[in-house]
Amino acid sequence: SQELEQSPQSLIVQEGKNLTINCTSSKTLYGLYWYKQKYGEGLIFLMMLQKGGEEKSHEKITAKLDEKKQQSSLHITASQPSHAGIYLCGADRLTFGKGTHLIIQP
Amino acid sequence: DGGITQSPKYLFRKEGQNVTLSCEQNLNHDAMYWYRQDPGQGLRLIYYSQIVNDFQKGDIAEGYSVSREKKESFPLTVTSAQKNPTAFYLCASSKSSWADGANVLTFGAGSRLTVL
Repeated sequence: SQELEQSPQSLIVQEGKNLTINCTSSKTLYGLYWYKQKYGEGLIFLMMLQKGGEEKSHEKITAKLDEKKQQSSLHITASQPSHAGIYLCGADRLTFGKGTHLIIQP
Repeated sequence: DGGITQSPKYLFRKEGQNVTLSCEQNLNHDAMYWYRQDPGQGLRLIYYSQIVNDFQKGDIAEGYSVSREKKESFPLTVTSAQKNPTAFYLCASSKSSWADGANVLTFGAGSRLTVL
């Protein structure tokens, strides 16, 4: 079965700093999805990547999928308190990584 | 606005009791899913349904049951056979099945079950 490994498990970043979260798959990805979750709530869809080398941006968040389609990164520029939460990557075969807990320090 | 409604938000159960979690969607989505989320475990798939009157077991189906009698509804029953039912349960839906390609999931707000 496909496994998704996320790193780091948790991240504490000072407000205004940049950060990167990684997601590595044990198999080639057909589609890679990034979601955000606030504690005790449901997941909100952020972005979907399907093509090798693809990059998408939304506001201050950029997601990339490598050419081999086995690794994705999520980059946040100039972090804000609203970026705090849990970020999860998901794959087409209904599997998810364990999540990265992001805390933004004022 | 369209979305997914899960109820109840919080539920307490005594050991040995069955409990049913409700999930309703008005997005006209074909596929629906149930996940369980535990600290440090991420999301694990319990059951999914790609069409009415049909559903498949996920990775951790033991101790759970589902039904899909209507397109909009996919209730999950946590039975007394589930050894460790205390968890956060998430229902999701998608326009089409994961096998069809692009499969963005829309999630409900979750139900937190605590067994006393």
